[in-house]
Parts: sequence; structure tokens; C-alpha cells
Amino acid sequence: QSVLTQPPSASGSPGQRVTISCSGSSSNIGSNSVNWYQQVPGTAPKLLFYDNDQRPSGVPDRFSGSRSGTSASLVISGLQSEDEADYYCAAWDNSLNGHVVFGGGTKLTVL
Amino acid sequence: QVQLQESGPGLVKPSQTLSLTCTVSGGSVRSAGHYWSWIRQHPGKGLEWIGYIHYSGTTYFNPSLKSRVSMSVDRVNNQFSLKLTSVTVADTAMFYCARRDTVGLDGAFDIWGQGTLVTVSS
Repeated sequence: QSVLTQPPSASGSPGQRVTISCSGSSSNIGSNSVNWYQQVPGTAPKLLFYDNDQRPSGVPDRFSGSRSGTSASLVISGLQSEDEADYYCAAWDNSLNGHVVFGGGTKLTVL
Repeated sequence: QVQLQESGPGLVKPSQTLSLTCTVSGGSVRSAGHYWSWIRQHPGKGLEWIGYIHYSGTTYFNPSLKSRVSMSVDRVNNQFSLKLTSVTVADTAMFYCARRDTVGLDGAFDIWGQGTLVTVSS
């Protein structure tokens, strides 16, 4: 059972907009920034967002991130076939002397 | 650019110690703003943070694995390592090494190795 809760799956057609949620608590998302990772099957995860909404260079601007309270969201606009991947949120958790927690991941299918 | 590469046995027997090394190229482990991390992924499952180490020796571990985990940094060979003791079949996973950036990326894991699959089996 992951500390951060994500829907196990999401889907959309090319060109559509998809939102993936990440729910946590006051000890993690509520007090620390959220990072998002994209993992194409068979490859290592790739950093998609840091500090809630900051895109590393090379990440298309049709990806956007946000945080509000104890939840975070990843939005993909203008969905493309290459966006089909697993998406994970992560944050620092202040409990138990501090540790990193991940969401369980959301498998995005482009129809 | 900085690249990471995991190495180590792909098969470990139950009750033994899993040992992996990550070699850093294109950069130095002696970087004040970076923590060198291990993350694993059970087959078909999500990501699980194991812990990380700073070149100064400071470590942070996942509370659920803390009693079995140790990490070290080899400044000479520009490597860092993971040891996980008393392994069981439940420790079978893909193990990734990754760099945690605390300078400009707010603690995100910005560089990852390709991963190495470790199977625990007799």
C-alpha cells in the first residue's frame, strides 16, 4: 500500500487532456514539494516535474503540474501516443525521521 | 553529462546479502549538492525508495528496510554501493541507482541508471 495514492489507470485519445491525481497527507504533500516521474515500459523512470510545477529542460510544455493542500496533479494536454507510460508522484515525508514516498503509479493508455 | 550504471550479481540466494554498485561517469560522487540513491521496483509494481548517501557519509534509509540496509561511497573509484542483508524472495526486484539533486531541483531524482534485475532464489 503506497503512502501516496494515485489512480491505477487513466486513458485518453490523441489530442485530449488527461489529469492524474496524487493524494497524500500533511506529513508529505501537505508540507513538502512533489516530484513526478514518467516511466516508459522497459526503461528507467525519467524526471518529469520537480518542486510541484517545474519542468526540467526537454519536458514539453503540454505537461503541467500543480499542488494544492495535500494533493497534487499532473495534466497532459494534447495527448500523444508517446505519452503512454506509467506516471509516479513522489514527495518527502516528515514522519519516522523523514523518508521519500512514492505513489503507486498510474498507467496511462493512449487510445 | 552524468551517467549512472548499476552492477552486481543478478541472482542471490535467500538469507544472503545482496550487493550492488553504481558507477558514476561524467561527474563526481564528491558533489556537495547531490545524494546518491537506490530505488527498487518489484516486478509489475511501483517504485520503492531504499535510501541515499552523501559523499560525506550521511545516510537516509527507508524505515521499512533500515535494519537490513547499508550504503557506502567510494570516492577513489567514483562509485557508491548498496548492501541488503537477509534477503528473501520478496526482495526480487529491479534495482535502480539515481542521483538526488538538492541544488536546483529541490531534491528530485534527476538522473537514473538503467536498472539491474536481482532475483532471490535458491
